[in-house]
Formats: sequence, structure tokens, C-alpha cells
Amino acid sequence: NAGVTQTPKFRILKIGQSMTLQCTQDMNHNYMYWYRQDPGMGLKLIYYSVGAGITDKGEVPNGYNVSRSTTEDFPLRLELAAPSQTSVYFCASSYLGQGANQPQHFGDGTRLSIL
Amino acid sequence: QQQVKQSPQSLIVQKGGISIINCAYENTAFDYFPWYQQFPGKGPALLIAIRPDVSEKKEGRFTISFNKSAKQFSLHIMDSQPGDSATYFCAASMGGRRDYKLSFGAGTTVTVRA
Repeated sequence: NAGVTQTPKFRILKIGQSMTLQCTQDMNHNYMYWYRQDPGMGLKLIYYSVGAGITDKGEVPNGYNVSRSTTEDFPLRLELAAPSQTSVYFCASSYLGQGANQPQHFGDGTRLSIL
Repeated sequence: QQQVKQSPQSLIVQKGGISIINCAYENTAFDYFPWYQQFPGKGPALLIAIRPDVSEKKEGRFTISFNKSAKQFSLHIMDSQPGDSATYFCAASMGGRRDYKLSFGAGTTVTVRA
């Protein structure tokens, strides 16, 4: 089982460029999440999805877009990269039934620098 | 603003010592409190979790203590080992909501000296 796979692992972008961070999971999880992690700030939720075709904003959605066309994939799009988007991005997934809390499974992250 | 406040930011402990990390929250609707462990270059992984109907949960050398009236919970790492050196995040969520979003603390970097 691969779990949650994120690509690329590292990327350097120029200001104004765009890119898509890929995330795929093979655990048939219905919930998926995108976080950014900045030093001393913990993890901040960018977007999340409760199932294919359904997405919603988290705490820090500005400058990002997502889509969820399949259960497995949840790509994160940066349209106009800005230095403030330099961060480590984590994708996570979980299986949630009615009224149950299940652990979120994280990928190993994408380290993104905007110069 | 941070919905879950975590302290200290970092700590150093000798091998065999006890590491203690504290978290506090304001939202009384939170009803699930997990701790995640993160090693350098890796994503966080669930370590242990507690619900507010119990005051303590122990798994091996890791114990969560929960004080509902004070809205505080803490992680104790007993007999700390060099392999425990990692960043630890507390978190909280409202299980009654459909989205089960986690609010994370800022993290504590634990260094265990041999």
C-alpha cells in the first residue's frame, strides 16, 4: 500500500508562475485535505473535500484552487505564485463514517519555494 | 487565530527523562483530541488520541492527560528515547460536524539527548 503520494517532492517557482501539486491516495478514503506548514505555525488547512465532486475552503484558501474529480486524486493549483506561498504542503486523507473520528493519513509533503 | 495553543515551542530532554507538552483550547464544541508525531522530511502521523469522556489514555510510553474543566490536555513521553526526537502537534476537532476538520497547535520540537 502506497498510502498518500505527493508529487513533486521539491519545486522552485518564479513569482507569477503557476503549478499543480499532485496528491493521490489508494486507501479508498472519502475525505481529503490540503495543508500548508510554516515554521512555528503548525498546519493550516487550505482546502478539503468530503468526496468526489465536493470541495470546500479551509482557513487559508486565498491563492489556491482544488478539484476532486475522482476518489483517489485531489490536486492543488497555484495560479499566480507569490513569495508568501513558500511553504511545505501536505496532503492528507481519512475515511470517515457517520459520527466517527478516524486518523488523517499524510503524504510526505511538497517543499515549494517561490523566488 | 490559533484555536489550539501549544507549549513549549521546543524542549530538550535527557534519555530516560519525561517530556511534557501542553495544549489549551477555547471551543467547548471540540470533542476529539489527537496528537501527531512528525519526523524531519516526513508527514505527520497519528500517535495517540483522546475523547473528553476520559481523563487519561496511555499507549506504551505515551500518555494523554485531559482536563475538561480547564480546557487543557497534555502529552507525556515517559522514558524518552533518542528515537522520540520529532515535532509533536496537538489537534482538536468537532466530531459532530460532517467535515471533521482538525485545528492544529503550532508544534513542539522535542530533542532527546543520549
